[in-house]
Amino acid sequence: GDSVTQMEGPVTLSEEAFLTINCTYTATGYPSLFWYVQYPGEGLQLLLKATKADDKGSNKGFEATYRKETTSFHLEKGSVQVSDSAVYFCALSGGYAGGTSYGKLTFGQGTILTVHP
Amino acid sequence: NAGVTQTPKFQVLKTGQSMTLQCAQDMNHEYMSWYRQDPGMGLRLIHYSVGAGITDQGEVPNGYNVSRSTTEDFPLRLLSAAPSQTSVYFCASSYLGQGGITEAFFGQGTRLTVV
Repeated sequence: GDSVTQMEGPVTLSEEAFLTINCTYTATGYPSLFWYVQYPGEGLQLLLKATKADDKGSNKGFEATYRKETTSFHLEKGSVQVSDSAVYFCALSGGYAGGTSYGKLTFGQGTILTVHP
Repeated sequence: NAGVTQTPKFQVLKTGQSMTLQCAQDMNHEYMSWYRQDPGMGLRLIHYSVGAGITDQGEVPNGYNVSRSTTEDFPLRLLSAAPSQTSVYFCASSYLGQGGITEAFFGQGTRLTVV
């Protein structure tokens, strides 16, 4: 079945440091890929997405590129802020050529990011 | 502009008790899902629904029941609570977009403790 693997966490950075959170996946067909963010005490919010190979998703300074050849969707940000402290989840949906995932997502285990001033 | 609303936000149950976690969405989304979040394991799918009257099992369905009598509501029932069901539960709704791609919208979560 489908699976998502995220880098081992947690990640602790100083403000303005460069961020990379690795994500690799296994799926049949053509999945869509997502990064969700969860701030303390809140639900998950979509951060960015990519729906086909070589697409780049971007939002709030975060970027991730859908790499089919390496089955990866690594999250990057050039300069993190204290307000970026949260849990980040990589997820995939679908993987069925010509079909639909019916809204079902497969998640990685999550990466806790803490940014210090 | 409520989105996905879950109630209650917190709940403590004794082993063997039953309860229903409520989930409602006002976006007319056809797909709804329940996930549980456990430390180090991400979110795992419990049950999902593709429309009113249609439900199916996800990855970890044992001990839970669902029904979908309306498009808006998707309650999750714990039949006989066990300590292993201590978790944070999230409800999500999705729509079928262009190319079969769906995006999920999540509720705020219900933190359940079974003692």
